[in-house]
Amino acid sequence: GQNIDQPTEMTATEGAIVQINCTYQTSGFNGLFWYQQHAGEAPTFLSYNVLDGLEEKGRFSSFLSRSKGYSYLLLKELQMKDSASYLCAVLDSNYQLIWGAGTKLIIKP
Amino acid sequence: GAVVSQHPSWVICKSGTSVKIECRSLDFQATTMFWYRQFPKQSLMLMATSNEGSKATYEQGVEKDKFLINHASLTLSTLTVTSAHPEDSSFYICSARDLEGIGNGYTFGSGTRLTVV
Repeated sequence: GQNIDQPTEMTATEGAIVQINCTYQTSGFNGLFWYQQHAGEAPTFLSYNVLDGLEEKGRFSSFLSRSKGYSYLLLKELQMKDSASYLCAVLDSNYQLIWGAGTKLIIKP
Repeated sequence: GAVVSQHPSWVICKSGTSVKIECRSLDFQATTMFWYRQFPKQSLMLMATSNEGSKATYEQGVEKDKFLINHASLTLSTLTVTSAHPEDSSFYICSARDLEGIGNGYTFGSGTRLTVV
């Protein structure tokens, strides 16, 4: 079966750095997405990785290792507004999005 | 960037009635629209994939006669929850892919919070 694993919840301090991991087992791979979702709102796109390596976008970076079925989202200089759920999703061989359950990130002052 | 407009944002309806949710792609043509349901503290669950001009493809366990999907044009897809029951109360979200490239991600509508009383 297809499976996406990510931690249920993480806590970090304002101004610090946090890394949210995602491992996946899917039938085929056409890329991995990270989305941010605030409570009661729809997800917003953060990043897309299809090749191995690190993609940096401001305070957020996303890393992919296809051989390990592994990705992480790195958030630097954390701000209170970064408190949200972070969803990992993989595009499988049929171009279907397979979603992880999401990681709730709690930022403390 | 690509924008998907979803209406209504929230709706309360009586048990047994039907509710229609609309999603419009404002600045691009969405040949495919995805409909999700999300219960509190859970991830997105794909309900169905609608393709313009053809029948929607429903995921296993989703009743196609209860959740009617119409994708009559390249910019509009609708989901109608028929004979709604309290267990249908959920957050419904549509999503489309900007044809300019996967790298831009899948754009989501703002979601519809449905409460059936």
